[in-house]
Amino acid sequence: DTEVTQTPKHLVMGMTNKKSLKCEQHMGHRAMYWYKQKAKKPPELMFVYSYEKLSINESVPSRFSPECPNSSLLNLHLHALQPEDSALYLCASSERAGRSSYEQYFGPGTRLTVT
Amino acid sequence: DQQVKQNSPSLSVQEGRISILNCDYTNSMFDYFLWYKKYPAEGPTFLISISSIKDKNEDGRFTVFLNKSAKHLSLHIVPSQPGDSAVYFCAANSDRGGGATNKLIFGTGTLLAVQP
Repeated sequence: DTEVTQTPKHLVMGMTNKKSLKCEQHMGHRAMYWYKQKAKKPPELMFVYSYEKLSINESVPSRFSPECPNSSLLNLHLHALQPEDSALYLCASSERAGRSSYEQYFGPGTRLTVT
Repeated sequence: DQQVKQNSPSLSVQEGRISILNCDYTNSMFDYFLWYKKYPAEGPTFLISISSIKDKNEDGRFTVFLNKSAKHLSLHIVPSQPGDSAVYFCAANSDRGGGATNKLIFGTGTLLAVQP
């Protein structure tokens, strides 16, 4: 099973709302990632968790707050977003984060629209 | 600074023929390369990878070639099928050593259209 699941599939939120994106994997992977992808652009890394600890934050604005409750779950809490934050948010996981040969497996993404 | 480049934004190929997707990189520290396929409104799907110690890796209809001296890799799909129509991203990873977390750097993608 190489499945990464993400909920919700679509989300529309106002600029004053608070919402959360959820990601789950049951492959025993110990590294999990959040990416943002705008139309016709490659995925851009936002955060990496390794062994449930935040390992990389790519200078993401504080209105995005990641959380890793356990090794299978990854959340992204959203608050006071801007319309330019509208994008496809992708979650990925890999066996480990410390060796380059570990392939990342992606979920289907959450299509976020900020109005 | 685009470290991984896919200079062809799109490619059209007839069904049954070979599709060749190209990727160039600038960082000599990259030691692992991956190809992902992406359909609209879905996440990227891992296709095939290659370590920098190899120059070829094959998996069914997919073959990846790496030319380290030219900092160039290519993905060959043969025979191409209409279901292969998607955006293809190459990605590179570098071993930063000391157990530091590695990061994938993605290219800009090539839209492959396989015509029946």
